[in-house]
Amino acid sequence: AQSVTQPDIHITVSEGASLELRCNYSYGATPYLFWYVQSPGQGLQLLLKYFSGDTLVQGIKGFEAEFKRSQSSFNLRKPSVHWSDAAEYFCAGASGGGADGLTFGKGTHLIIQP
Amino acid sequence: DAGVIQSPRHEVTEMGQEVTLRCKPISGHNSLFWYRQTMMRGLELLIYFNNNVPIDDSGMPEDRFSAKMPNASFSTLKIQPSEPRDSAVYFCASSSLPGTSGGNVADTQYFGPGTRLTVL
Repeated sequence: AQSVTQPDIHITVSEGASLELRCNYSYGATPYLFWYVQSPGQGLQLLLKYFSGDTLVQGIKGFEAEFKRSQSSFNLRKPSVHWSDAAEYFCAGASGGGADGLTFGKGTHLIIQP
Repeated sequence: DAGVIQSPRHEVTEMGQEVTLRCKPISGHNSLFWYRQTMMRGLELLIYFNNNVPIDDSGMPEDRFSAKMPNASFSTLKIQPSEPRDSAVYFCASSSLPGTSGGNVADTQYFGPGTRLTVL
């Protein structure tokens, strides 16, 4: 079965420090991969997506993610976090050209320490 | 451009009552998805439509749940009768099918703000 796993439920990072959120996928073929962010009481906003091509993907708000087929991973990174980055982050995968519904990981809650 | 519109934003109802959630996708999009978010199960796909036709409803939890898309600009998710375990945030999302925008992959799914349902 297709699945997306986010191993870390909570991550605490100091403001200005670097960030890496982990995501692993299990799909029969290379999936289409996404990172979304959800602020409290809000909907989901797309940070970035990977369909094919360059394995390093740039997104909004200074985020990037790297697709690593050998590790079945699609980790999200940011070189320097800001207090406004505190939120819930979801990794998601899709097959079928992306036309199927998304399979989400459980999410990682990011806490920013001053 | 307006994003995905959902109504109501909040719904509080009593067990046994019928609940109808509404969604207006982004104009021009031809795929529509309903998701449910709970603390225990996270975000789950309930059902999705392509060109107003239901494609996969395997995520619909029970026969109490039904969804319709009578036209390209409107969809409903109905729960009848509602139960306390249905309490969750329900999201609607829309996107373009592969080929719609000239590419061979689907466009990004854009999410609405969600409807927070509380069943007492």
